[in-house]
Amino acid sequence: KNEVEQSPQNLTAQEGEFITINCSYSVGISALHWLQQHPGGGIVSLFMLSSGKKKHGRLIATINIQEKHSSLHITASHPRDSAVYICAVRVITQGGSEKLVFGKGTKLTVNP
Amino acid sequence: DAGVIQSPRHEVTEMGQEVTLRCKPISGHNSLFWYRQTMMRGLELLIYFNNNVPIDDSGMPEDRFSAKMPNASFSTLKIQPSEPRDSAVYFCASRYTGELFFGEGSRLTVL
Repeated sequence: KNEVEQSPQNLTAQEGEFITINCSYSVGISALHWLQQHPGGGIVSLFMLSSGKKKHGRLIATINIQEKHSSLHITASHPRDSAVYICAVRVITQGGSEKLVFGKGTKLTVNP
Repeated sequence: DAGVIQSPRHEVTEMGQEVTLRCKPISGHNSLFWYRQTMMRGLELLIYFNNNVPIDDSGMPEDRFSAKMPNASFSTLKIQPSEPRDSAVYFCASRYTGELFFGEGSRLTVL
């Protein structure tokens, strides 16, 4: 079982719809990142969370540490939101270093 | 700031050749990460530096891979000799304390 599970793997929506992408993890973490990767490859960090909720424009990210679960919401979705959204958790290794463990990503397509 | 700068953006080489990928982190960032992305395995950490010192290289696949960070503004990832299974997109990222900033990636194809 992967340490980070995202759902759904693929999501198709109509412009204007409310989108939710879920991320569950099975390890202790110090932070959780939501990343966006557009076709053509560049990766952008959307949020870094360790508790609660963050909002940036039409994007909202929440995290429940007790339940080891995070969600990324997109309100009033637009075709330019089409991308792969990747959840990554920051874990501290036994050696004291840190590493990001990535989910497989959710491919979002928003149709006009 | 120009962001994290990687070069080359694309490299096509033949099996057995040496490949060197380069990264310039954002000025002031003290952590630098090299990641590899493939269709099969997604994103994986290869190595991470803190204050130019390699902290965790457990993700480096084998001795053919090596990484250096001679100063705070430059890092290299070298593959020698390259193999077709090394074909992937290699990302460099840097940060100070919080958000990660990624470069555009170097797409490597080994024939």
